[in-house]
Amino acid sequence: DQQVKQNSPSLSVQEGRISILNCDYTNSMFDYFLWYKKYPAEGPTFLISISSIKDKNEDGRFTVFLNKSAKHLSLHIVPSQPGDSAVYFCAASDSQGGSEKLVFGKGTKLTVNP
Amino acid sequence: TAGITQAPTSQILAAGRSMTLRCTQDMRHNAMYWYRQDLGLGLRLIHYSNTAGTTGKGEVPDGYSVSRANTDDFPLTLASAVPSQTSVYFCASSDWAGSSYNEQFFGPGTRLTVL
Repeated sequence: DQQVKQNSPSLSVQEGRISILNCDYTNSMFDYFLWYKKYPAEGPTFLISISSIKDKNEDGRFTVFLNKSAKHLSLHIVPSQPGDSAVYFCAASDSQGGSEKLVFGKGTKLTVNP
Repeated sequence: TAGITQAPTSQILAAGRSMTLRCTQDMRHNAMYWYRQDLGLGLRLIHYSNTAGTTGKGEVPDGYSVSRANTDDFPLTLASAVPSQTSVYFCASSDWAGSSYNEQFFGPGTRLTVL
């Protein structure tokens, strides 16, 4: 059973508009959530994270929102830029599980059109 | 700073042959990980190591083995490759403190094709 779900395989937005990427999880033990960005032929790079004690974390154009009751998080990119075009992975971890193992979603491919 | 290096960049391997994917980090991170990325499946954890001398199984460990003789190196071995092991393999590391979370840093990946 997939514990971290990204139900939208792809998303296309216009430059300057908002991009919203969604992620759902099922394991209530997850208490730390991360977003990674991946360009083709490169490794994923860390983008932003949020602890379960918060409901929002902001870093420049990127904001992550966490709704624990709904087991849902989202990544907002405002304004979107063509360089943001990449695959975005949501990941979750149980920090009390004895390691920093991550469970990843399948990813959402974001295309920002000029 | 090199960060994490992986070798080889890509490899074509005959089924039944063995191969070791190499991973080295220079950040002195205590924890290291191996993931595979398959189209439509995201990244899945194969094995991990919280510290030198210890290893653990991830979500898809069958057919793979790892060792962690020192802090910097975390090789992944396929003893007898099968076509279903065709994938892109990513090594990662983190500065695991046991009580707080630190993000993982990823290498550039190894593309492996098993024929």
